[in-house]
Amino acid sequence: ETGVTQTPRHLVMGMTNKKSLKCEQHLGHNAMYWYKQSAKKPLELMFVYNFKEQTENNSVPSRFSPECPNSSHLFLHLHTLQPEDSALYLCASSQEYQGNGYTFGSGTRLTVV
Amino acid sequence: KQEVTQIPAALSVPEGENLVLNCSFTDSAIYNLQWFRQDPGKGLTSLLLIQSSQREQTSGRLNASLDKSSGRSTLYIAASQPGDSATYLCASNAGNNRKLIWGLGTSLAVNP
Repeated sequence: ETGVTQTPRHLVMGMTNKKSLKCEQHLGHNAMYWYKQSAKKPLELMFVYNFKEQTENNSVPSRFSPECPNSSHLFLHLHTLQPEDSALYLCASSQEYQGNGYTFGSGTRLTVV
Repeated sequence: KQEVTQIPAALSVPEGENLVLNCSFTDSAIYNLQWFRQDPGKGLTSLLLIQSSQREQTSGRLNASLDKSSGRSTLYIAASQPGDSATYLCASNAGNNRKLIWGLGTSLAVNP
């Protein structure tokens, strides 16, 4: 267990479904991140939250909607996804925004059919 | 724009061998350089972080070096073991927004 817990570990969803990914950390970190990892591509930063406030949205399509109700929890709401959205979605946290010492979760393997 | 390149993309070695993984970056104005390990289908584990003012960091059999002037970092793994088999990623923390820029990784297989 890394300190950052992601659920579910695997998710298969149809293009018309709505689902949510959950991330939880109790490390006392103030910043949380969503990353997308696709084959043959570098990790892509999607969203950043610092003290519960969204500080970055890196041109992510609106079919991905993040939510950060408190500094320990982060969600990624998914709707009307495309097959090319299939990837490993990783959550991470750090004590300070874009600081040292990132802790990653184990990821959610998403398959869109 | 910072770009990070990792060579080789894949490496297969016999157990016990010492090996070097390479990471190069285009913008030398970095805050730090970080090495991570990723097991298949899993998240990333932080291995070593080298601040811009440092030349190297060591943890057990791992040693990471940083040469900002040449835009290079190396990860040295001594006496490799099958349990070292994983993908090793490097990332540079640079720019005004201090965003992590990632390489594609080196996939390492250590054969018993």
